[in-house]
Amino acid sequence: AQSVTQLGSHVSVSEGALVLLRCNYSSSVPPYLFWYVQYPNQGLQLLLKYTSAATLVKGINGFEAEFKKSETSFHLTKPSAHMSDAAEYFCAVRRGYSSASKIIFGSGTRLSIRP
Amino acid sequence: NAGVMQNPRHLVRRRGQEARLRCSPMKGHSHVYWYRQLPEEGLKFMVYLQKENIIDESGMPKERFSAEFPKEGPSILRIQQVVRGDSAAYFCASSPPETQETQYFGPGTRLLVL
Repeated sequence: AQSVTQLGSHVSVSEGALVLLRCNYSSSVPPYLFWYVQYPNQGLQLLLKYTSAATLVKGINGFEAEFKKSETSFHLTKPSAHMSDAAEYFCAVRRGYSSASKIIFGSGTRLSIRP
Repeated sequence: NAGVMQNPRHLVRRRGQEARLRCSPMKGHSHVYWYRQLPEEGLKFMVYLQKENIIDESGMPKERFSAEFPKEGPSILRIQQVVRGDSAAYFCASSPPETQETQYFGPGTRLLVL
């Protein structure tokens, strides 16, 4: 069975500081991994995805994530936080490329940015 | 190119009433997914549909919930005899048939059951 675990339901950083949101996955087959962002009262927007190409994936808004098979991790980072980054972030896993495989979401991490 | 559209954005129902949630996928998308987000939780998969077919409904509650995606018109998620525990945000996502790994999400319908 596949699953994702997001460590820390709430992360707070200062503006300009490093953002690190943790995600560990469990999958019996090579997974496809995603990070989505949700702003208040809005739908989810895809930040980035890993599909077995490069292990370091760059996304929108300066975010990137590194796939580490040995650690079964896919942590999301951004070198310098901006106030506009405050949102809920979801890590997600999908088994395989087919759309017949549903996406499993983590419980989310709420990112707050301190001025 | 309009994104995934959902309506209504907010829906209030009393216990026992029916809720109908609509989702219009992006143009050219033939795959539709419904997810439910309970307060302070992540999204949980409910059902995956293609035109006129339910492909995977493993996340749908066994009773009161149904979904369809007709040949013409939007996908509909129907909840009969709503209860307070149905209060949640319901998100629809769609994907094109060619590149199936990315799902594009709508803004959601927030259902409140009084």
